[in-house]
Amino acid sequence: SYELTQSPSVSVSPGQTARITCSGDTLTNQYAYWYQQKPGQAPVMVIYKDSERPSGIPERFSGSSSGTTVTLTISGVQAEDEADYYCQSADSSATYVFGTGTKVTVL
Amino acid sequence: QLQLQESGPGLVKPSETLSLTCTVSGGSISSSNFYWACIRQAPGKGLEWIGSIYYSGGTFYNPTLKSRVTMSVDTSKNHFSLKLSAVTAADTAIYYCAGYMTTDDGFDIWGQGTMVAVSS
Repeated sequence: SYELTQSPSVSVSPGQTARITCSGDTLTNQYAYWYQQKPGQAPVMVIYKDSERPSGIPERFSGSSSGTTVTLTISGVQAEDEADYYCQSADSSATYVFGTGTKVTVL
Repeated sequence: QLQLQESGPGLVKPSETLSLTCTVSGGSISSSNFYWACIRQAPGKGLEWIGSIYYSGGTFYNPTLKSRVTMSVDTSKNHFSLKLSAVTAADTAIYYCAGYMTTDDGFDIWGQGTMVAVSS
């Protein structure tokens, strides 16, 4: 199996930009997905296929990919963006793995 | 708009089998060409994919759990199911059902989750 590594936490002031990274060897040839999870709630997908945004997700959420690292960027962070964020990918045999998770705190 | 609802036992004894049912509403489980998945989250921990099943019955499982996992689809009841055998305290978690259209789409439909504790 493979692993996806995220930094444990990110703190950001309202209106600033938060960047969350996810690293793993499989990311060079597999798509990445990002999920937002607020306390007591199920995860919600905010980015799919590295950089696509599902309908209903605010434009301030964006994704990018470079080599073995993918990045979720939240521009103009709002208080409601405080949550845990998980990346996710797959290997060639459709085995799915989630990243270790990043807690975003809005100061 | 497809929706998912989990139903589980709440409490399972060690060494027994955990059974989870995920009911699909807003459409037919067999006509939507979806993949269906079970994902869990231990208290205070991250997300762990358990396995997926295609609407026609094909399955693929997390290698670390494969020996204990069985998933199935019941089209007459419009639900899919998870069985996890020989449970231990480490299987205590919130269990989520999820759905996705293709293996490139990500998990874009989620149930609310159901807590299952393993304890004697």
